[in-house]
Amino acid sequence: EAQVTQNPRYLITVTGKKLTVTCSQNMNHEYMSWYRQDPGLGLRQIYYSMNVEVTDKGDVPEGYKVSRKEKRNFPLILESPSPNQTSLYFCASSFTRAPSLHFGNGTRLTVT
Amino acid sequence: AQSVTQLDSQVPVFEEAPVELRCNYSSSVSVYLFWYVQYPNQGLQLLLKYLSGSTLVKGINGFEAEFNKSQTSFHLRKPSVHISDTAEYFCAVSGLMDSNYQLIWGAGTKLIIKP
Repeated sequence: EAQVTQNPRYLITVTGKKLTVTCSQNMNHEYMSWYRQDPGLGLRQIYYSMNVEVTDKGDVPEGYKVSRKEKRNFPLILESPSPNQTSLYFCASSFTRAPSLHFGNGTRLTVT
Repeated sequence: AQSVTQLDSQVPVFEEAPVELRCNYSSSVSVYLFWYVQYPNQGLQLLLKYLSGSTLVKGINGFEAEFNKSQTSFHLRKPSVHISDTAEYFCAVSGLMDSNYQLIWGAGTKLIIKP
């Protein structure tokens, strides 16, 4: 089954404790992206990747890192999480010539 | 720069009634247009898209949308809603010439179905 898999679904952590949210897709998509969703703000893009070893900042990259060592994986790293990063995070992927995104089911992160 | 406005944050409607969710955009270039749906506790999934051709686009679950270039709108419609249509709906645009295929998102409209 074609899918984007994010883990974990829920995560509660404390300020400053490094964490990684994993994202994997099995559709051979070149493009992958991370979004955060906050009430009333819609989706805001954090980082995106056009292909392996090619990443770029989105609208709200501060406090986040990503890597794209393999085509299928695009982890999101929070080196020192802060409470303002409490949010619902989505990973998405698509073929670059057809911007129809496939989304994961989301990771709800709480930073206390 | 492009922007997307979803004029209603919530739309309550009775079951089996018609519904229209409004989306307006601004862009200096030609665009691709999308509607995504987010059911409770799930990720977003593509409902329909306009890339070119007929301005009336049909999507999944009986939804359709009409691209109106002169009014820069892409409103979503369904003639008769069901309780299972309860969800949040997002409109998005992408510039045709945008080599990064970046999507600009509206803030979302929650569709609330009243029994």
